[in-house]
Amino acid sequence: EAGVAQSPRYKIIEKRQSVAFWCNPISGHATLYWYQQILGQGPKLLIQFQNNGVVDDSQLPKDRFSAERLKGVDSTLKIQPAKLEDSAVYLCASTSGGWGEQYFGPGTRLTVT
Amino acid sequence: AQKVTQAQTEISVVEKEDVTLDCVYETRDTTYYLFWYKQPPSGELVFLIRRNSFDEQNEISGRYSWNFQKSTSSFNFTITASQVVDSAVYFCALSEATTDSWGKLQFGAGTQVVVTP
Repeated sequence: EAGVAQSPRYKIIEKRQSVAFWCNPISGHATLYWYQQILGQGPKLLIQFQNNGVVDDSQLPKDRFSAERLKGVDSTLKIQPAKLEDSAVYLCASTSGGWGEQYFGPGTRLTVT
Repeated sequence: AQKVTQAQTEISVVEKEDVTLDCVYETRDTTYYLFWYKQPPSGELVFLIRRNSFDEQNEISGRYSWNFQKSTSSFNFTITASQVVDSAVYFCALSEATTDSWGKLQFGAGTQVVVTP
């Protein structure tokens, strides 16, 4: 069974530029999560999708971050414009539902200069 | 407020020593789930265990064991006879079974385990 795929693995941009991350969850997993992990901290949930609907985006800085999950499969997370404090690893996770274990992708390491 | 506290920032041990990682959580829910994840240097989070709030039995899986005590809101993790491959950051996480927290993981800050030969 293929795991959660994410791309790119690394991205370096200048502040005020835009960036997009892509996630392909495990086949059949209805629930998809995006987490932000700042160096030295635990992951923090940004947004949760159930199929193509948003369940929780209370921690998403909506003035600069956006996310979508068209057709209930792949998802993209966008930052526009980026700030220095957005430097972090962005993790995508998926689960078949409920409170089952979440499977994480390798993450995208973003550096904003 | 921090719902999951991992007070130990870093633990260093010599190979074959045992190491115990502490996790204290806070919730008002009677139904919740606790998790442990491992994050090796490669960066990918690896699931280790899930425990629901109604199951207080301790669990052992190979060299790993977990001690869940609701009375002290703790879910501690012990690695027996540590190996160099155990070097990683370990995260404890809480998922509360409320409508607006459905499946959401709240992580602690993590404990870095360093095992030297």
